[in-house]
Formats: sequence, structure tokens, C-alpha cells
Amino acid sequence: GNSVTQMEGPVTLSEEAFLTINCTYTATGYPSLFWYVQYPGEGLQLLLKATKADDKGSNKGFEATYRKETTSFHLEKGSVQVSDSAVYFCALNTYNNNDMRFGAGTRLTVKP
Amino acid sequence: ETGVTQSPTHLIKTRGQQVTLRCSSQSGHNTVSWYQQALGQGPQFIFQYYREEENGRGNFPPRFSGLQFPNYSSELNVNALELDDSALYLCASSFKDGTNEKLFFGSGTQLSVL
Repeated sequence: GNSVTQMEGPVTLSEEAFLTINCTYTATGYPSLFWYVQYPGEGLQLLLKATKADDKGSNKGFEATYRKETTSFHLEKGSVQVSDSAVYFCALNTYNNNDMRFGAGTRLTVKP
Repeated sequence: ETGVTQSPTHLIKTRGQQVTLRCSSQSGHNTVSWYQQALGQGPQFIFQYYREEENGRGNFPPRFSGLQFPNYSSELNVNALELDDSALYLCASSFKDGTNEKLFFGSGTQLSVL
């Protein structure tokens, strides 16, 4: 079945450091891939998405490239800020979108 | 701000009781999905409602049931509560138009079962 595996946290970085959070997936068919972010006490917000191989999703300085050959969708940001502290979820769904599959989440803490 | 509101924000119940959680969708959306997020885990799909009918269900027992109303608001009902039902319950609304539509999440209801 469809599933997502993302690197375990927590991840602690200093402000302006480079961020990578790894995500790999298993899916039948051609999934769309997503990164969601969850700030404390809030629901999930879509950060970025990519719907086909080699697409790059980007938003707020974050980016991720849909790599079909490695079944990966790693999240990167060149310079993190304290305000980026949150839990990040990699997710996928297939065409019918009845069942968005999420990874376990990676908690990021950015220290000043 | 997603426009999806959930109530109540927190709830405490005892084992064996029944609970109803409510979700008001974003205006213009016709689909509601419910997720269970255990502490330290990613959300797990419970079920989805599209135009007032169940349109997919995850690996949850029948004591988890739902409704979607004509105004596209929704309820999640859980009977015979168990301790493991303690979790954050998230509602997500979307507009189903045949593409991989974007989900808009509410802030969730934190359910504690004692």
C-alpha cells in the first residue's frame, strides 16, 4: 500500500543553518507529494506540493523536488529562522484523494 | 487561517462513553475528511464524506461514524470510547473536482479518554 517514511527528529538547528528533512515514499500509480507544517496548537497547513516527477514545489524559502527514480521528496531550506520551528509532515495521495497518507512528522527547533 | 472550524477544542471523556465532534467546512468546499493524530504521530485517515455520503474509509472500526450535512458541515461520532482513542482529531475540507485537491485543516479537537 501507499506509505511515507520521513527522517525521525527532533532536529535542532541554529538560525541561518541549512535544513534538510528526508522523505521517501512507496506508492502504486503516480502520487502527488506534499509537505505540511504544524505549528503548536494549530492544524496542518500545506507548505508545498508537487504533482509529477521532476516537479519542484517551493514556498517561503522551502523547496522539495519530486524524484521518481529515488522515490524521494526531501524538504530543504537554505537559511532557517526561529519562526520555522514546527513539526513538518511529508504526505502523499493518489488521484482519488480519499486517503492522504502522512509520515510520522519531524519536529524542527531553530535556536537564535 | 483556513476557514475550517472545529468544536470543541478540548474534551475529556471516560471509557465507554460516546462523543460527537463537529467541523464547519470552508465556504465552497464539498468534501470533508477526518483524521486521528496520536501524540507524536502523523495523522491517520478515518473517513471522507463527499456530498453527504461516505467516500472512503481508513482502518478504523465501525464505532467511528460520521455525517455530512447539506451545508457541508460534518460530525464525527465515536461510540464505546477506549483509552487508545485519546488523540487530536483533525477535520480537513476540500473541493473535489477530479484533481488532487488541497486539504484545509482545522485546529483540531483534543480528546482525552480516562
